Parts: sequence; C-alpha cells; structure tokens
Amino acid sequence: SQQGEEDPQALSIQEGENATMNCSYKTSINNLQWYRQNSGRGLVHLILIRSNEREKHSGRLRVTLDTSKKSSSLLITASRAADTASYFCATPTNNNDMRFGAGTRLTVKP
Amino acid sequence: EAGVTQSPTHLIKTRGQQATLRCSPISGHTSVYWYQQALGLGLQFLLWYDEGEERNRGNFPPRFSGRQFPNYSSELNVNALELEDSALYLCASSVRQGANSPLHFGNGTRLTVT
Repeated sequence: SQQGEEDPQALSIQEGENATMNCSYKTSINNLQWYRQNSGRGLVHLILIRSNEREKHSGRLRVTLDTSKKSSSLLITASRAADTASYFCATPTNNNDMRFGAGTRLTVKP
Repeated sequence: EAGVTQSPTHLIKTRGQQATLRCSPISGHTSVYWYQQALGLGLQFLLWYDEGEERNRGNFPPRFSGRQFPNYSSELNVNALELEDSALYLCASSVRQGANSPLHFGNGTRLTVT
C-alpha cells in the first residue's frame, strides 16, 4: 500500500516560474524523501528531510515538513525545461521499508 | 562508483511463463528493494532484502519471489505470468538497513507479458 500522496497529480508551468508540489502521509515518520524520475527511467534521490527539521534547501530546491499536519512540500524555483519529470515523495513504514506516493508529473514549457 | 545495474533492460514473455530479473547494488550497499511501476503509475513496493534475508514484502501474490545472494546482488522471480504483470520493475539499494538512507535506483527492467 502507498504511504504518501502527492498533489497535484500534474502541473504545467512556464520556464522561469516556480513549481510547488505537496505530499501528505499517514503515519509517524523519522524522515521524508523526495525523488525525481525522468520518463521510463530509475528514480533519482533529491533530498532527505528528518522529522526534527522544518525546512531544507538544496540548490533551487526547497523542502518543508510539517509533522503536525503530516505533510511536506517541494518547491522548485526558477524552473527550467530540464526539470520536466515526475516527482515522488517517499516515507518509511513501521517495518522500515520505503513507500512512494503516486507522484506529480511536472511539465516545464520553454 | 558504478551505480545500481539491472538486467535485462527489456523482457518479453508470454502469459504463464516465468521471468527472472536481476539487480546488482552499489558496492558496499547491503539493502536491496524491488518495486513495480505500471505504466504512468506510482511505485508499488514488492520486496526488501538486507544481509541476505527477506525483511518485508508488499501486497503481491506468492508467485512474486526473490532472493539476495552473498554478494548482495538480488534476483526477482515472477511465476505464472499474467498480462497485468507488464510493468517497469525497479531495483534500488541503500547503504544501511532501513529507511534512513537514500535509495539509489537502477534504470529498471521493462517486462512485457503478451
């Protein structure tokens, strides 16, 4: 079963705009991870945020975590056409394996 | 450092046959995860191995099975293939047991069942 749910399912923006994707999860976690998948390929790890962190940055990426609301957001600033991909959040289960949401498909138009 | 490698890249089978998919983790990684991704959908958790032991499995029938070898490589076997088994099968490895380390993914095996 899936643990996280991303919102929106699809997002289309112009190059240079910011893209925000949200993730909600169900159980208590000690960390949340975001991944990116280019069409038909493996996922690439973007960022890991621990439960005692509220915000984390990596280049043009900004991730927030609100454990009281069981939600996280991924912000991509100044988007580029190369950012076009699917983005997934992943959270650990009580058995310590990682479960992924259904993903947000981001399209950045040049 | 070589990444996670999966073979074959593509596999075409007919209904009722058996499929074997292989995964080599990054050197030093002991945990291997298998996921199924049907076209356009999210990842469904299949199996997790660590140090040669099966640690957990997802909601899949017993005809999905696997193993991890002493060198930490892994094999996923799917018996009695059904049309709905057509999907991208992704393998990932991590350096430590459990979910506190990032997963490193291979590029998957595209299984087509006709």
